[in-house]
Amino acid sequence: QVQLQESGPGLVKPSQTLSLTCTVSGGSISSGGYYWSWIRQHPGKGLEWIGYIYYSGSTYYNPSLKSRVTISVDTSKNQFSLKLSSVTAADTAVYYCARGAYSSSVFFDYWGQGTLVTVSS
Amino acid sequence: QSVLTQPPSVSAAPGQKVTISCSGSSSNIGNNYVSWYQQLPGTAPKLLIYDNNKRPSGIPDRFSGSKSGTSATLGITGLQTGDEADYYCGTWDSSLSAHYVFGTGTKVTVL
Repeated sequence: QVQLQESGPGLVKPSQTLSLTCTVSGGSISSGGYYWSWIRQHPGKGLEWIGYIYYSGSTYYNPSLKSRVTISVDTSKNQFSLKLSSVTAADTAVYYCARGAYSSSVFFDYWGQGTLVTVSS
Repeated sequence: QSVLTQPPSVSAAPGQKVTISCSGSSSNIGNNYVSWYQQLPGTAPKLLIYDNNKRPSGIPDRFSGSKSGTSATLGITGLQTGDEADYYCGTWDSSLSAHYVFGTGTKVTVL
């Protein structure tokens, strides 16, 4: 059973960089075939895809966030990470990491429990 | 502002059926496969349907998905109180800046 767990600061100051890590257990990131993803949910709102990374390092980002987002992978630790720069209060959200699988198209079959990140001074 | 539109809410009595629509365009639903997610209160989303109409292992056949043109539909039969949740559709958008998109979300209430 694949499990994902987000970790990182729950409070970030405006203009700083939000950094989160997702630790994957029950499966190896380097085995390939999956898109390791970040998705966020603003309080009381819907889901927003941030981006994902393939085990090879190829990345795909939401165009609305692309200029501020970096997703990276550390196969030795079986982790992948999110960095979001120049944050504002509008980046306050629950951040989920998820595994993107592919059959005829991409879908997200395993999710972390989510971590609330608040942007405030 | 999502490009996939869902009704804000639907409701029905226990045992009844509900359907949730997800309306998009040719750049997303019209040319890609749709997945559906259930989000129970205070929890992470859970995959219900992928590739328009396939259920992952462990998802009961009370949940079904379909797609026609630029719209997709999630159906829930034999509604149970445990089905009260938010439901989201999702698919790839193949526009100039390709990216994954989720629907606006639908709250299902069991009366």
